[in-house]
Amino acid sequence: DAKTTQPTSMDCAEGRAANLPCNHSTISGNEYVYWYRQIHSQGPQYIIHGLKNNETNEMASLIITEDRKSSTLILPHATLRDTAVYYCIVRGHNFNKFYFGSGTKLNVKP
Amino acid sequence: DAGITQSPRHKVTETGTPVTLRCHQTENHRYMYWYRQDPGHGLRLIHYSYGVKDTDKGEVSDGYSVSRSKTEDFLLTLESATSSQTSVYFCAISGPQYQETQYFGPGTRLLVL
Repeated sequence: DAKTTQPTSMDCAEGRAANLPCNHSTISGNEYVYWYRQIHSQGPQYIIHGLKNNETNEMASLIITEDRKSSTLILPHATLRDTAVYYCIVRGHNFNKFYFGSGTKLNVKP
Repeated sequence: DAGITQSPRHKVTETGTPVTLRCHQTENHRYMYWYRQDPGHGLRLIHYSYGVKDTDKGEVSDGYSVSRSKTEDFLLTLESATSSQTSVYFCAISGPQYQETQYFGPGTRLLVL
């Protein structure tokens, strides 16, 4: 599975959009991009995933570049409860591999 | 949230003691996984199961064994706990296709003294 690169930390003002980038320049054609977050010591929480097209659900939007080498997770109106570590994961045929890496610590500030 | 529970949620044990952690799901998903999470290592796969009585090793399986006698339960056993097995253990479930989402349980904090 392709590795991902994310900034170590980001700040966002409450009520503003949080845009979390992820670089996955070695992604292959059949690999999906997944986003999870982990709040404090809880279990990782699924947010969204996509292959080629942009995706949106009730939690967030996922923007994948046309060449698929990078993506952005957008939380449209960040709240204090969105403070967490956000993981970008690229997953392929090896279903038993789900490499979380270090993630981005998002700090939402009042 | 996916119906996944883990028990116990916290455990303190002594070196050399056997320990069993339980993962229970109500989603009837075929695949179940055990991960450990340690500072600086992210999540690492210990073992996974692709059906009743069907299991395989993950990245860090030494010192661990698993069993799955029912679809809903996946047990992780530390035969003789060591201090290096102090960690947070997460169970996850997913459907059979590789692109299907994994859903995680709340975790078990294990301290081996």
